[in-house]
Amino acid sequence: GQQLNQSPQSMFIQEGEDVSMNCTSSSIFNTWLWYKQDPGEGPVLLIALYKAGELTSNGRLTAQFGITRKDSFLNISASIPSDVGIYFCAGISDNAGNMLTFGGGTRLMVKP
Amino acid sequence: EAQVTQNPRYLITVTGKKLTVTCSQNMNHEYMSWYRQDPGLGLRQIYYSMNVEVTDKGDVPEGYKVSRKEKRNFPLILESPSPNQTSLYFCASRSSGAGETQYFGPGTRLLVL
Repeated sequence: GQQLNQSPQSMFIQEGEDVSMNCTSSSIFNTWLWYKQDPGEGPVLLIALYKAGELTSNGRLTAQFGITRKDSFLNISASIPSDVGIYFCAGISDNAGNMLTFGGGTRLMVKP
Repeated sequence: EAQVTQNPRYLITVTGKKLTVTCSQNMNHEYMSWYRQDPGLGLRQIYYSMNVEVTDKGDVPEGYKVSRKEKRNFPLILESPSPNQTSLYFCASRSSGAGETQYFGPGTRLLVL
């Protein structure tokens, strides 16, 4: 099936630092989604992107839908301890029956 | 409250003993899916269903069965569990509209001895 390459796999940062993670694919996606998973919970949607080039913010989070439709990034500014968790990108492609394909996840650890 | 529920949340079983993990959603969603999450591998889709009586294999369907007799329920069946099916399982649902949000259940942690 389709694959999304998400990087980095993990990050250990100091509170207050900015964070950047991205996903790339060899396939085109029509929608990009970014989820966060807290320990012991299911993933929760953070940001959804529907158009190539779209830049969307949600508080300290900003995500962009790449112009080529094959990539997306998520930035977190001024990180805080509750940002800890696993962040997943996911893409929806019309060519794949509108189903979601997930990246491998980025584990974020924040040192107070 | 819109939600996806899964039961049980935790399960320890032995090899070969059939089990079912239930999933139910109260949002009248067409799409439902099952994923398993393993360290370093992210979320991998097991099976999905686009509507009642319509199911299809995801990326890792071997050893699993599903059924979709009603719109709200999408049980995951392990006929003969094996230790390599020890994992964290998530059910998810969403509407069929383009770009609709996918909601996840709280997860079921399964250990097969």
